[in-house]
Amino acid sequence: ILNVEQSPQSLHVQEGDSTNFTCSFPSSNFYALHWYRWETAKSPEALFVMTLNGDEKKKGRISATLNTKEGYSYLYIKGSQPEDSATYLCAFCNYKLSFGAGTTVTVRA
Amino acid sequence: DADVTQTPRNRITKTGKRIMLECSQTKGHDRMYWYRQDPGLGLRLIYYSFDVKDINKGEISDGYSVSRQAQAKFSLSLESAIPNQTALYFCAAGGGRQFFGPGTRLTVL
Repeated sequence: ILNVEQSPQSLHVQEGDSTNFTCSFPSSNFYALHWYRWETAKSPEALFVMTLNGDEKKKGRISATLNTKEGYSYLYIKGSQPEDSATYLCAFCNYKLSFGAGTTVTVRA
Repeated sequence: DADVTQTPRNRITKTGKRIMLECSQTKGHDRMYWYRQDPGLGLRLIYYSFDVKDINKGEISDGYSVSRQAQAKFSLSLESAIPNQTALYFCAAGGGRQFFGPGTRLTVL
């Protein structure tokens, strides 16, 4: 069982503010790091698949960075909106995915 | 149409009953997965299959079995359900990024 940790477990952010949170994972035998967005009562949906050290991915106001040498990834939300409220899951991939417990983001209007 | 479907969406059953959860996918993915989600624990892998003849145990396979009837179908069985198997179950398909079904909420009384 691989140790994939996300922090914080939850956070509240005011609409319009930016925020970020962390995923840490084993730095050995790295293949890929996935980020998923999971809205209440829906299925998790893939945001990013990151494979190279130093990767930066962006989708609208959401972006992610990857440091495979030290085993962490940051996910950033710029100018948070209520529709960004969701649980964000990261998953370490070697031949299968090992998920962290998620960071639940609540954006207050 | 959804790429990954699950039936049933909700199920209440009693301790000791046998129950099967079904999953189908329409995109021809070789790889399929079953996860369970418990509050605060993220997604934990139960079983995965890389093709019709390949079945592998995940982190928490005890008390579960699976069948890959075809490339498109991957079912999960609880031979004798117990209350601590009450959870939200997700099926997923895909080789890199995974596509998740809508989930099955199972309650074992």
